[in-house]
Amino acid sequence: DQQVKQNSPSLSVQEGRISILNCDYTNSMFDYFLWYKKYPAEGPTFLISISSIKDKNEDGRFTVFLNKSAKHLSLHIVPSQPGDSAVYFCAATAGTASKLTFGTGTRLQVTL
Amino acid sequence: GAGVSQSPRYKVAKRGQDVALRCDPISGHVSLFWYQQALGQGPEFLTYFQNEAQLDKSGLPSDRFFAERPEGSVSTLKIQRTQQEDSAVYLCASSLNGLEKLFFGSGTQLSVL
Repeated sequence: DQQVKQNSPSLSVQEGRISILNCDYTNSMFDYFLWYKKYPAEGPTFLISISSIKDKNEDGRFTVFLNKSAKHLSLHIVPSQPGDSAVYFCAATAGTASKLTFGTGTRLQVTL
Repeated sequence: GAGVSQSPRYKVAKRGQDVALRCDPISGHVSLFWYQQALGQGPEFLTYFQNEAQLDKSGLPSDRFFAERPEGSVSTLKIQRTQQEDSAVYLCASSLNGLEKLFFGSGTQLSVL
């Protein structure tokens, strides 16, 4: 039972354009969402998060949008840079839970 | 070092062998987590410590898996009688407290032959 889904295993975007990574969830108890970025042979690195009381959070080139009614969130990267090429994981948690539930990841490739 | 350190980086085990994976969290971090990441999947929660107390072990897949953090710092994940399905990357993460801004180590890649 995959509670957090990233249906696009890969995405290719040209440098300077917008990258949009999508994530859907099924557990209505989830109230805090995070995006992690992972380079090969390294652990995931925290990127940005959003609480369910907000619908948007922005940090530099990264913006996360949350649509609670659709149980959908997206990560926008503008402008995309070659160093953004990595696997991006969406994660979620509920209330006082002690664990994150991760999606399967989307591999982003930013081309020159 | 400044980050979460895991050792060994790679471990090859024969089926039935016991293994021990070590995690050195960031100094002062109260919370410590273990995750298992199979090939092509996202990390899956195994267990959580707050200081030396193991508060959640609901993700441990069987009683062959055991984790400890006796002094509230270094943690060890032990897998007894390894099976092929245990092959995965085992990630350790720590935080000042709770789930905000977890810092992950590079993981231990376990291969069971």
